[in-house]
Amino acid sequence: EPEVTQTPSHQVTQMGQEVILRCVPISNHLYFYWYRQILGQKVEFLVSFYNNEISEKSEIFDDQFSVERPDGSNFTLKIRSTKLEDSAMYFCASGPPGTPKNIQYFGAGTRLSVL
Amino acid sequence: GDSVTQMEGPVTLSEEAFLTINCTYTATGYPSLFWYVQYPGEGLQLLLKATKADDKGSNKGFEATYRKETTSFHLEKGSVQVSDSAVYFCALRPLGGTSYGKLTFGQGTILTVHP
Repeated sequence: EPEVTQTPSHQVTQMGQEVILRCVPISNHLYFYWYRQILGQKVEFLVSFYNNEISEKSEIFDDQFSVERPDGSNFTLKIRSTKLEDSAMYFCASGPPGTPKNIQYFGAGTRLSVL
Repeated sequence: GDSVTQMEGPVTLSEEAFLTINCTYTATGYPSLFWYVQYPGEGLQLLLKATKADDKGSNKGFEATYRKETTSFHLEKGSVQVSDSAVYFCALRPLGGTSYGKLTFGQGTILTVHP
């Protein structure tokens, strides 16, 4: 069964460093999302991406964050200068063509630890 | 804004016990409601959904009924198994508007089932 793949499973970085979290969505999907979950808190929406542009973003998704679909298969989340409070589990999701209101398929997540 | 509240966890049960995980929501209009499950090391998987009031979603012995009058979507299972041990997330998706499928999640409930 097709699945969303995220790498790495755990990323450790120093505060102020740039990180790129990588996701390979399901191949025919057209809608892409990033969510995050700080330990002990709710899963929070960060951004949605469709037709090579951001379609919606949350207040969390400030100038330090960016997303890209560089080659038609990968979907990346970049954090330019990490802060301690960026430590969280980051989930990528993708949705099939037709409507953004289709089911979203999630990856297993990347745990980001900022030291 | 929209929000989802789940019962505090973790929940620990013996095999064959009855399970209820409470979920209530705040939203404008008539959102779609979901339960996602995350097994260890895996991504969030859709367990069941309901898109309008009084709809009952069901899958793998789990059920949840969309109750508009109480703004609730409680998850139930009559007889849990050890293999049901996982984290369960309640979520909503707004109806209409400019949302591109953004999901709003509760904080997740850890379920552990002992033999």
